[in-house]
Amino acid sequence: QSALTQPASVSGSPGQSITISCTGSSSDVGAYNYVSWYQQHPGKAPKLMIFDVSNRPSGVSNRFSGSKSGNTASLTISGLQAEDEADYYCSSYTTSSTWVFGGGTKLTVL
Amino acid sequence: EVQLVESGGGLVQPGGSLRLSCAASGFTFSNVWMTWVRQAPGKGLEWVGHVKSKSEGGTANYAAPVKGRFTISRDDSKNTLNLQMNSLKTEDTAIYYCMAEFGGSGYWGQGTLVTVSS
Repeated sequence: QSALTQPASVSGSPGQSITISCTGSSSDVGAYNYVSWYQQHPGKAPKLMIFDVSNRPSGVSNRFSGSKSGNTASLTISGLQAEDEADYYCSSYTTSSTWVFGGGTKLTVL
Repeated sequence: EVQLVESGGGLVQPGGSLRLSCAASGFTFSNVWMTWVRQAPGKGLEWVGHVKSKSEGGTANYAAPVKGRFTISRDDSKNTLNLQMNSLKTEDTAIYYCMAEFGGSGYWGQGTLVTVSS
């Protein structure tokens, strides 16, 4: 199972919006609505930000939103804040009953 | 409060074995699928495997790089998740996290470092 494809880096200024893409295949992203997004700050454990494509856990800011079209999922962060600077990973359930992560995207807030 | 606490990491030689554990508290452990995720130094997250709840069969699934070498098990009487790692390779060096997602939330332990080196 190959890793999902994410851009290595994205950047934006405070207050702007950014979108991180996560491209898979019909065997993972396109097969189910089981796509999650995680935020990881340096030296910390990952934090679940979005599950089941577009659902936010309690306590996660509504500035974070998720969507999916075909084999590509997306995470959008609106109203960028300095504390959003982190690494972001997508993951998807697969038709092999396994999960697969994306390679990760480093978000820089300029 | 949900807590996941990993233990058992350390330095092991290539070809050796190590057993990691994850002590869970604050939720009904037996009802939840439990997952291991690892992260090599400076690298991204890698799904290692998961074990279903007993009510859903209790079976485990593994990522290709560890299949046949790693075994995930659960002891619902002790609220403990285990990862038995055999035939370890240098590329298994990573922080190993246990993780659970339920009720619309996700929970991660602090991780335990496994170093495979001679």
